[in-house]
Amino acid sequence: DVKVTQSSRYLVKRTGEKVFLECVQDMDHENMFWYRQDPGLGLRLIYFSYDVKMKEKGDIPEGYSVSREKKERFSLILESASTNQTSMYLCASSLLQGYDTFGSGTRLTVV
Amino acid sequence: AQSVSQHNHHVILSEAASLELGCNYSYGGTVNLFWYVQYPGQHLQLLLKYFSGDPLVKGIKGFEAEFIKSKFSFNLRKPSVQWSDTAEYFCAVKSGGSYIPTFGRGTSLIVHP
Repeated sequence: DVKVTQSSRYLVKRTGEKVFLECVQDMDHENMFWYRQDPGLGLRLIYFSYDVKMKEKGDIPEGYSVSREKKERFSLILESASTNQTSMYLCASSLLQGYDTFGSGTRLTVV
Repeated sequence: AQSVSQHNHHVILSEAASLELGCNYSYGGTVNLFWYVQYPGQHLQLLLKYFSGDPLVKGIKGFEAEFIKSKFSFNLRKPSVQWSDTAEYFCAVKSGGSYIPTFGRGTSLIVHP
C-alpha cells in the first residue's frame, strides 16, 4: 500500500513565524498535492506538483509556497503564518489520473 | 472550470436505513470518478472509483455507486447503513486528462444505533 506520511499531526505556531509542513510518499508517484480542509468548505487545493521542481498553483495559493526537490517529498511553506491559516492540511499523492492517497493530516493552529 | 456538487451536506439516518448521497459534476467529456470517506479522526481513504466499463461500481464495506453519464451523476448508495458508517463522504472528479481532482464539499453522515 502507498503510504503518505506527514511529519506532524499537530502544530502550534505564532503569527509571523515561517512554518514548514513536510510530506513524504513511498510509491514513486509523480503527482503530489497540498490541500487545506475546513468545515463546510471541503478540500481546497493549495499547490500541486507533477514532477520534481515542478509546481502549479491551486485555488488558494496566497500566503503559501512549496518545494519539491525530490520525487518523494513535497513541502508546504507558510512564509509568515497568520491566524486565518489555522486549518487542517492534507497531503496527497497519485499516479497520473489514478486515485489519490492521503496522509493523516496536520492540524495547524496559529496563535 | 469543473465543479462538483454534493447536494446533501448533512444526513442523519438510523441503522439499517438505506443511503443515497448525490454527486453531480459539470464536465461533459471523459471523467474519472471517485468517492472518498473520512472516518472521525482518520485520514481520507478511497471508497470506490470509476474509470470505464460497468457504470455500477462496487466498493468497500458494501458501498456502491452508479455512473449515469446523461445526468452527470455518480451517486453513492448503501442498502443498509451501520453505526460505523458515520463519517464524511467526498465525491471527486478528474476530467479531460487532468491529474488534479475537483472535490465536492462533502456530506457528513451520522448513523444512530
